[in-house]
Order: sequence, then structure tokens, then C-alpha cells
Amino acid sequence: AQKITQTQPGMFVQEKEAVTLDCTYDTSDPSYGLFWYKQPSSGEMIFLIYQGSYDQQNATEGRYSLNFQKARKSANLVISASQLGDSAMYFCAMREVVSGTDKLIFGTGTRLQVFP
Amino acid sequence: NAGVTQTPKFQVLKTGQSMTLQCAQDMNHEYMSWYRQDPGMGLRLIHYSVGAGITDQGEVPNGYNVSRSTTEDFPLRLLSAAPSQTSVYFCASSSPWGNPSPLHFGNGTRLTVT
Repeated sequence: AQKITQTQPGMFVQEKEAVTLDCTYDTSDPSYGLFWYKQPSSGEMIFLIYQGSYDQQNATEGRYSLNFQKARKSANLVISASQLGDSAMYFCAMREVVSGTDKLIFGTGTRLQVFP
Repeated sequence: NAGVTQTPKFQVLKTGQSMTLQCAQDMNHEYMSWYRQDPGMGLRLIHYSVGAGITDQGEVPNGYNVSRSTTEDFPLRLLSAAPSQTSVYFCASSSPWGNPSPLHFGNGTRLTVT
């Protein structure tokens, strides 16, 4: 069964500093995809970054990078040079296609607050 | 470029009433899904569809029905609303499983059942 775990309900970071948001996952399927989404207070879901299970390199998108450690089943999001606008909820998610199912499951999220 | 459109944005129901949350996408995505978001619980998958005529259950399907008669539309039906269904509902779509195929989300429907 799929499972996504985000153990940090809340994180604080000072502006311009880097922050790591943790995500671990559990799957027995070798082919899967990992996603991070941002949800600001306005409520929309914004796609940030993707990592495929077969990707050799860690994904990067601007200030976002994904620290993918396959053996540990972790996919942590690193935000460099934090900005006040980064304050939001962040969700890790995994998509897995197995046995005729195709489900994208989310973790419970981490609330990031960036202070000046 | 509308993307994923959900209607209504807000809805108040009384216990036992029925309603349909509408979802439409104009990106020709085969995959569509419904989530509910509750405080502290993240987004939980209700139902999903990998194409017209095909639907399957997610993590929390009880109390909800779906159908997929066209590629564009994926309505979510509450047959007899309960207070436990008070939540924010998101519809999402994507291309079929591949690389990277992220979900594109609608703006959500805030449902209150009294």
C-alpha cells in the first residue's frame, strides 16, 4: 500500500536562509513518481517539482531542489534563499501505477513560515 | 486557458440533501481525480478515473459517487450529505502516468453540511 509521511507539522525559517522539508514514502513498486506542491493561504495547489524513481539526478527547479535518497525512501524538498512569499503549506505526494490502479496520494503537509 | 474548472466555489447543504460538484478540464487529460482536504489530514483521494467510462475508488470513497461519460467532465455526487462531508473538495487532472505528469488542480469547492 502507498504511504507518504511528512513528520514536520510546522517549520520556521529566516528569510534568505535555506530550509529542508522532509518526506518519506513507502512502496514496493519500482516505478513511481514523487511530487511536491505548495498551497498558499489563498488555497490553490501549485506544482513545484517532480522526481521519477528511475531518475539518476536530483530534480531542481529554480530555488527548489529535491533530495532524493531512494534506498532510504526519502524525497526531501530543499528551498534555497527563502522568501516571505514561500510561507505556505507544502505537500509531498507519490504517484504509483500498479495492479491496474493509478493513484496519487498526498502526505499531511508541512506549514512553512518565513520570517524577516 | 481555463485548465480545471470547479463549480460551485461555495455550497451549504443540510444533512440528507444531495448535490453534484462539477469539474471540467480543457487540457484533454485522460486522468481525473477528486480529493477532499481537511485540517491536519492533507488531501485524501476520493475517486479517480483513467479515462472516459472508467472510474475507481481512492482512499475515502464512501458517501460519494462518480461517473466519467466524457474526457472533459468528472462530476462528484453526494447522494445524502452528512456533516462529516464538510470539507474543501479539489478536482485535478493530468496526462496518463508517465514522466512527469503532475496533477493540475481546480480552485476547490468549500462545502459545509449542517
